[in-house]
Formats: sequence, C-alpha cells, structure tokens
Amino acid sequence: SAVISQKPSRDICQRGTSLTIQCQVDSQVTMMFWYRQQPGQSLTLIATANQGSEATYESGFVIDKFPISRPNLTFSTLTVSNMSPEDSSIYLCSVVFTTNEKLFFGSGTQLSVL
Amino acid sequence: LAKTTQPISMDSYEGQEVNITCSHNNIATNDYITWYQQFPSQGPRFIIQGYKTKVTNEVASLFIPADRKSSTLSLPRVSLSDTAVYYCLDGTTGNTGKLIFGQGTTLQVKP
Repeated sequence: SAVISQKPSRDICQRGTSLTIQCQVDSQVTMMFWYRQQPGQSLTLIATANQGSEATYESGFVIDKFPISRPNLTFSTLTVSNMSPEDSSIYLCSVVFTTNEKLFFGSGTQLSVL
Repeated sequence: LAKTTQPISMDSYEGQEVNITCSHNNIATNDYITWYQQFPSQGPRFIIQGYKTKVTNEVASLFIPADRKSSTLSLPRVSLSDTAVYYCLDGTTGNTGKLIFGQGTTLQVKP
C-alpha cells in the first residue's frame, strides 16, 4: 500500500506566524486534497491541489490564507498563513491513485496556535 | 455541505453485529458509496466501497439498495477496537471530483 509522509506531525505556533505542511507520496497520484479537522468535528475539504496550476479552493477558504503548491505528482505543501488560535486543527493530506479509487490519508499535522 | 446523513452515535457490545445506515438523497449516477473509519489522532482509513447491491471484504459488508438512496455498513462481531468514527461518503474523485465528509457516526463498543 502507499506511503504518505506528512510533516511536521505537530507544531505549536505563535499568532501571526505561518506554517508550511509537507505531503510526500511514494508513488504518483492523480488527485491530492487538503482537509482540516477541528477538535471534535468532521473533516472539511480545504482545496484540491492541482499539479502545475493554482489549487481549487472550497467555499470559505482562500489562497491568501492557505496557499498550496503541487509541483509534481508526488508532493504538495499547504501553508497556514498569519495564524490565529482559530486555525488550531488537524490538517490532513489525502490522495487518490486512480479515478474512483479510495482516498488514502496521511497521519495529519496537529497544529496549535497560541 | 455534506451530501449524506447518518446517525451521530451508536452503542454496541462486543460480539454483536453492528449496522450503520446512511442516507444518500443527492447521489449522482456516477457516484460511488464509500465508508471510512477514523480512530483518534489518525487520518481516516478506507473500509469498503460499492456502487450497488452487496459488497463484502474481510472487515465489513456494504448493502446498497436498487435506488441507491441509502447504504448500510455491517460490522460482524465487533470488538472494543472497533470503537471509532465511521463516515459514509458518496461521490467521485475522477477529474474535478472531490469527496465531502459528513458528520460521521461515533460507534462505542462496550465490553
């Protein structure tokens, strides 16, 4: 099965700073997504990371706050910019290998903003 | 907005069969139905996927009626380690597809 490496696994950050989360997959994927999971809540889709072009953001999420890169078929980054305590969540990278295949998830990044 | 509706929580006892039903009132022709399991501090894990009728694998069965407006995840003889949140989704990841998670069902298995 696929290996999805997400780092950092956790971080504690100060208000107003930015954090970049990396997602590396050990084989090529067709789709990459970023989700957020706030404490005690379900997963919320932030955006679809598109290879070589701008990400597609869901309602309520904007590029200035959550810039995303996907330079190739196996790697993506999500940056949480100008953080506030409300950004404290688990951020999850997920991938799909073929159309209509299942989602594989990374282990997540636990972010706490003070 | 989530496309599916499922019970918020369920309780069971070890050794029992658990059935979790999900409503797919807005399912599209090309959508698959997929169930995921999530333990605390972990990302969701795929359990089972189907399009119609019945699918069975080593951990669960999935029942989908002909109209595909609902699905039922069946977990045979649950154990304490099956305590988790279970999510049902419908959709496709092809091309511009994406998968939206609903609220999930928290299953608590008691000894």
